[in-house]
Amino acid sequence: GQNIDQPTEMTATEGAIVQINCTYQTSGFNGLFWYQQHAGEAPTFLSYNVLDGLEEKGRFSSFLSRSKGYSYLLLKELQMKDSASYLCAVRDGDYKLSFGAGTTVTVRA
Amino acid sequence: IAGITQAPTSQILAAGRRMTLRCTQDMRHNAMYWYRQDLGLGLRLIHYSNTAGTTGKGEVPDGYSVSRANTDDFPLTLASAVPSQTSVYFCASSEGTLNEQFFGPGTRLTVL
Repeated sequence: GQNIDQPTEMTATEGAIVQINCTYQTSGFNGLFWYQQHAGEAPTFLSYNVLDGLEEKGRFSSFLSRSKGYSYLLLKELQMKDSASYLCAVRDGDYKLSFGAGTTVTVRA
Repeated sequence: IAGITQAPTSQILAAGRRMTLRCTQDMRHNAMYWYRQDLGLGLRLIHYSNTAGTTGKGEVPDGYSVSRANTDDFPLTLASAVPSQTSVYFCASSEGTLNEQFFGPGTRLTVL
C-alpha cells in the first residue's frame, strides 16, 4: 500500500511563513500534488512537482526530493483566508493518486 | 459555467437501500474518479475511469459499482448501503491521467 505522512495540525500568525512537510513511500512515483481544501468545500489544485527542486507560484512554493521521498509546501505572507486543510497527494506507478490525511492550518490574527 | 457537478448535495439513507450518486462534468475530460473522505483518513479512491467505456477499481471498491457510458457522466451506485459507507463522496475529473484533478462539490451521505 501507499504511505503518505503529513502533520495533522499547524498554527501560524497572519503575515508569517508556514512549511508543511510531506513524506511518502509509494509503489512507483509519477508526481506529487498539493491541494487546498476549505472546510465543507472541495479540494482545489495548488501545485505539482515531478522533478526535484522548488516550484514557486505567488505566495505558495512546493519542493520535492524524490531520493528522500519528501516534499514541502511553503505558504508565505499568511492571510486569514489561508486557514484550510492542505492535502499532499502522490501519483503512483499506476497513475493513481494517493492522498495523505491532510494538514489543518489555522492562521491567527 | 464549466465544471463538475454532483447530486444530491446530501442524503440520509436507511441501511440496505440502493443509492446512486450522480456526477457530471462538462470539461470533456477523459478521466473521472470517485473518492470518499473520512475524518483522519484523507481521500481514498473508490473507482476510476480513464476513458469512456472503461472502469477500474481503486483502494476501497467493495460495496460500490460505477459505469461510464459516456464522457460526461460517472455515476456511483451503492447496491445495499451499510453504515460504514457514511462519508463525504467526491467526484473528480482530469483531462488525462497525467493532469491535475478537478473536484466536484461533494455529496454528504449518512447511512442509518
